[in-house]
Amino acid sequence: DIQMTQSPSSLSASVGDRVTITCQASQDISNYLNWYQQKPGKAPKLLIYDTSDLATGVPSRFSGSGSGTHFSFTISSLQPEDFATYYCQQYDDLPPTFGQGTKLEI
Amino acid sequence: QVQLLQSGAEVRKPGASVKVSCKVSGYTVTELSVHWVRQAPGKGLEWMGGVDPEDGSRHYAQKFQGRLTMTDDTSTETAYLELSRLTSEDTAVYYCTIGTGWFGYWGQGTLVTVSS
Repeated sequence: DIQMTQSPSSLSASVGDRVTITCQASQDISNYLNWYQQKPGKAPKLLIYDTSDLATGVPSRFSGSGSGTHFSFTISSLQPEDFATYYCQQYDDLPPTFGQGTKLEI
Repeated sequence: QVQLLQSGAEVRKPGASVKVSCKVSGYTVTELSVHWVRQAPGKGLEWMGGVDPEDGSRHYAQKFQGRLTMTDDTSTETAYLELSRLTSEDTAVYYCTIGTGWFGYWGQGTLVTVSS
């Protein structure tokens, strides 16, 4: 299985800050990398697919980049509603695998 | 617009089985790539298995081989996950989700508690 390693595991930030989360794959996954947001007690929500494409309705302050084994996810200006846990996920190979998550505390 | 509605919480004893349902609306269940992802309390997301709608084949994560079965009922447009030989480590929220590659639609989750 492809291992996905996210960092940091947790992050404290303030409203208006720019934050970046990284995700490293154990092997080349091209651009087959997605990002999700999960709030407590809720299902995950797709934010970004194929490394950098914004899902429908997702604000433009969210962005993603990278290729191969190194990827990043950025929130350009944190809003109070962005308090959540964020996960990366690869789908280059079965099984799809997730990073361990990054808890963002405002 | 796809909507996924899952069945309610379940409590099972160790060794028992559980069957969770996921009713699909907006599409025919066999048109969709339905996957199941679970999340143990305080833990991350774990993919369990999914369906390839092109040929209906089921793909299961190796750790669940032999005790996980995914089925669907086209008369009710419902997908099912059945997990057998439960242990306390199967206590988790189970989500159905739709997607090929990325998971764009999710059910609300079903809590399965395994306790003696």
